[in-house]
This record gives sequence, C-alpha cells and structure tokens, in this order.
Amino acid sequence: GAGVSQSPSNKVTEKGKDVELRCDPISGHTALYWYRQSLGQGLEFLIYFQGNSAPDKSGLPSDRFSAERTGGSVSTLTIQRTQQEDSAVYLCASSSPYQETQYFGPGTRLLVL
Amino acid sequence: GDSVTQMEGPVTLSEEAFLTINCTYTATGYPSLFWYVQYPGEGLQLLLKATKADDKGSNKGFEATYRKETTSFHLEKGSVQVSDSAVYFCALTLTGGGNKLTFGTGTQLKVEL
Repeated sequence: GAGVSQSPSNKVTEKGKDVELRCDPISGHTALYWYRQSLGQGLEFLIYFQGNSAPDKSGLPSDRFSAERTGGSVSTLTIQRTQQEDSAVYLCASSSPYQETQYFGPGTRLLVL
Repeated sequence: GDSVTQMEGPVTLSEEAFLTINCTYTATGYPSLFWYVQYPGEGLQLLLKATKADDKGSNKGFEATYRKETTSFHLEKGSVQVSDSAVYFCALTLTGGGNKLTFGTGTQLKVEL
C-alpha cells in the first residue's frame, strides 16, 4: 500500500517568510510524528499526534513552530518568520494503533536563505 | 532523560568484512529498540527491532540483540556488501506506543570493493 507522503519535497524560502509542510500518513495510522534532521542536531522529535490531538509538543523549538492535524489524517507543520537555523530536513512518520513501529516519509528539505 | 549513544563514524569496510556498530542506551522504564537505515538519497527505513530483553531482531543479514544487562543493542552483519553503504541510526521508544523515537547520532558505513 501507499507509504507516508510529504510535500513539498524541497522548499527554498527567504528569511522571515512563513512555510507550510504537509504530511499524509499511511491510511489507518492514528499516530503521527514530526521530526527534524539537521547537520548540527541529528534527528530530533518535534511533535506527536494521536488522532487530531497533540499530547506531546515538547520538541517544538520555539513558538514560531506549530502543527495541526485534521480528520485524523493529514498534518501540516507551519514555521512562521523562518530563520536560517530552521534549515533542515523535516520528516514525518506514522504508526498504527497496534504496533509501535514508525514508518517515515521521504522528508521535506527546507532551505532558508 | 532517555538517550542513545552510537559509535562515531564513518566506518569504512571492505566487501565481505564483518560489521559491528555499537549502540548503548539510557532509558526510564522498558524501551523498545530499533535500528533504522538511511540509504543515500532515500528516507529512513526500519531495519530491525526488538521489544524486550534478550530478543534478537534480524533482517537482510543484519542482527541485533537487546541486552538489558549492558543496556546495549549492537548491530552486526557477518559479510557486508557495497549495497549496505548507508547511515545507520539506533533508536528507542518507551513501550506502550504513542511515544517519540529517541535517536542516536547515526553511523555512516561505507563498503568498498
């Protein structure tokens, strides 16, 4: 079946602009996760959704970062007033209610100029 | 807090050599342990996992055994191939599902003819 998809695959933006990153999880997966992969910080957890609720937002680095999930499916990660240090690959993962294995999308590579 | 420590890379091996990538962890509670692999230009893929002490995860000739007494989950392969060249990430999540993955820093493996 279809895996986790993310869009766009690449995004170049100017410092100060807002960006939206989209994640489509595997159908039926109730849990959805956002991570960030950067050279200096490795792979970092950002936020976790169970259904449309976000019980763990502990990894969001600042209030410029927010995320929502609608219909228990698609999620959007929004970064406001982007900074150069936001440049990274943003990864989305999902898992089913019955197992803890997370399946990752291909990522969105964000470059802030 | 929970953490994962991996051996530093890059690791360069000749084809058919034996591979070990060390991974140790610190966790509250009883974690599940994972190895993810990232091939060049591709997304993160689950390689293998183990959910309780003394379990052995295996896939594609790779193995790792969950050692509670040494808090380790070392990755091994008896004979590596050029196609195994990738970055390998050790990770943990606390049991119960719905929990974030905590990753190690990743170990780059390069296999040469």
